[in-house]
Amino acid sequence: DTEVTQTPKHLVMGMTNKKSLKCEQHMGHRAMYWYKQKAKKPPELMFVYSYEKLSINESVPSRFSPECPNSSLLNLHLHALQPEDSALYLCASSPLSGGGETQYFGPGTRLLVL
Amino acid sequence: GENVEQHPSTLSVQEGDSAVIKCTYSDSASNYFPWYKQELGKRPQLIIDIRSNVGEKKDQRIAVTLNKTAKHFSLHITETQPEDSAVYFCAAHPSGTYKYIFGTGTRLKVLA
Repeated sequence: DTEVTQTPKHLVMGMTNKKSLKCEQHMGHRAMYWYKQKAKKPPELMFVYSYEKLSINESVPSRFSPECPNSSLLNLHLHALQPEDSALYLCASSPLSGGGETQYFGPGTRLLVL
Repeated sequence: GENVEQHPSTLSVQEGDSAVIKCTYSDSASNYFPWYKQELGKRPQLIIDIRSNVGEKKDQRIAVTLNKTAKHFSLHITETQPEDSAVYFCAAHPSGTYKYIFGTGTRLKVLA
């Protein structure tokens, strides 16, 4: 299995809602990432987990809360989002075998905040 | 800080012509350089990559060159086809970090 999967594909939520995005990989990768991508822009790093521990938080607002329950799963919990948080949220994973490594992206969750 | 510049931002070519996209990175510790193709509404898809111990790599119609001294790397697509139309992102991965620094993207349009 060489895929990263994400659910849901699309999500519409109000500013008072709580929702979660899910990401899964079964490639044995030990690094997992959340990116936010706005239209016509490159992916913007939000969080990195390595060996199930949070390694990087790129000063992301606390209304985004990541969680890594095990080495295959990555969640992003959303609460009290703003309309400007509407974007494509991409999960990615990489092996962490040392040296330059390929990063594999999931299909993304397209989020609309009303 | 870490930065990757990518040019041009848009590129239109006739079908069958070649396309070249160039990137320049700032962090000399970068040792891995992937190129991603992203079609509208889809995920970034790795199309080719190069590591710092190699100067050139080719895969059918796609090639990447790396000049470590100048901190430049380029994507070359030959015999372009309409299905090559997409946004292309370069990236640089500094050694010892978890970060991949992305370029700003190039929108390639192949005209039939």
